[in-house]
This record gives sequence, C-alpha cells and structure tokens, in this order.
Amino acid sequence: GAVVSQHPSWVICKSGTSVKIECRSLDFQATTMFWYRQFPKQSLMLMATSNEGSKATYEQGVEKDKFLINHASLTLSTLTVTSAHPEDSSFYICSATKPGTGGAYGYTFGSGTRLTVV
Amino acid sequence: AQSVTQLDSQVPVFEEAPVELRCNYSSSVSVYLFWYVQYPNQGLQLLLKYLSGSTLVKGINGFEAEFNKSQTSFHLRKPSVHISDTAEYFCAVSENSGNTPLVFGKGTRLSVIA
Repeated sequence: GAVVSQHPSWVICKSGTSVKIECRSLDFQATTMFWYRQFPKQSLMLMATSNEGSKATYEQGVEKDKFLINHASLTLSTLTVTSAHPEDSSFYICSATKPGTGGAYGYTFGSGTRLTVV
Repeated sequence: AQSVTQLDSQVPVFEEAPVELRCNYSSSVSVYLFWYVQYPNQGLQLLLKYLSGSTLVKGINGFEAEFNKSQTSFHLRKPSVHISDTAEYFCAVSENSGNTPLVFGKGTRLSVIA
C-alpha cells in the first residue's frame, strides 16, 4: 500500500511565529503532492500543488509568501505557515499519488495537522 | 474544470437501516471518481474509486457506489449501517490523466442513530 505520514498532528503557536508541517511518502516516491486546508465542518480546499524540484503551483487567493511550500525530495514536502495569525488556524492535510498513474492509483492522505494560532 | 455537488449536508439514519449518500459531478473531460470518509480530526480514508469498467464499485466497510454517466452521478450506498459509520463522507473527482488534484464536494455528515 501507500502510506503518507504528516507531522505534527497538532501544533499551537503564538501569533507572528512560523510553523512547518511535513508530509512524507513512506513507501513510494511522490513527484507530486497536494496541500489542502479544511475549515471546521467544511470541505477540503486545495491550496497548492507541490512538484519535486520545482516551484509549487498555488491556487487563486492563496498567498504564496505566507504559505511556503518546499518539495526538495521525492518523499518529502513541507508547508511553512509564516508569520501566523489566528485566521490561519485550520486543519491542513497533504496528499500524494504515485507518479505516472494520475489518479488511478488513488490519492493517499496524511492524517492532517491541526494548527491553532493564539 | 471539475465540480462536485453533494446534495445532502447531513443524513441521519437508524442503525441497520440502508443509506444512500448522493453525489453529482460536472466535468468536460473524462474523470476518476472517489469516495472518502473522514473521522474527527483525522485525514481521509479511501472507501472506493471508479476508474473505468464496471459501473458498480465495491469498497471497504460494506460500501458500494454506482457510476451513472448519463446522470453524472456517483451515489454511495450501504445496505445496513452501523454506529461506527458515523463520520463525514466526501465525494471527489479528478481528471483521468496526469497528476491532477482532487476536487471535493462539500461533504455529507452521516449520523447513525442507535
């Protein structure tokens, strides 16, 4: 199977600080990973598509300077929330799929990170 | 671009009763279709997916879904639900080429009543 590990599961930080969230594909190489944000009782909204070795592609309305994405290896993508504010509090989830399969393999999701900014 | 509509935001059902969660999609290209389940403060778990072939897809936990191209629907069903099925269910679609992201519906909260 395919396993995606996301860390940390939850984090509380002070307003103005930065938080890094890691997403790792444990048993496969993921050239593409996706980052989603989920507000309480709402659906998942795509924030950005992370491609190994290149710049991430951000969805309209997502501040790329606030949500820094780095995909430096085939198994790791990171999302850094810079200068976090209370409105950044949310549930962040990453997902990955095996390269070359499109969606046929299925999208494996991390367990999510609950970010609370105080 | 694709879009997904989940017609019911909440579905209460008694234990051991059947349930159907509705999903309709819109796309100008061929798509893959998925159903995911999410428990509180957790990630998403794949229930089933439709790629091609048989329009009736069986998944985990006794769930199944039927792809209907003419009605652009992919409704999820289970003949007899359990308390443990209480969760949020998301229908999602992706293009069937390339590593394109999933587009999600707004979700349906299934509440199973004892």
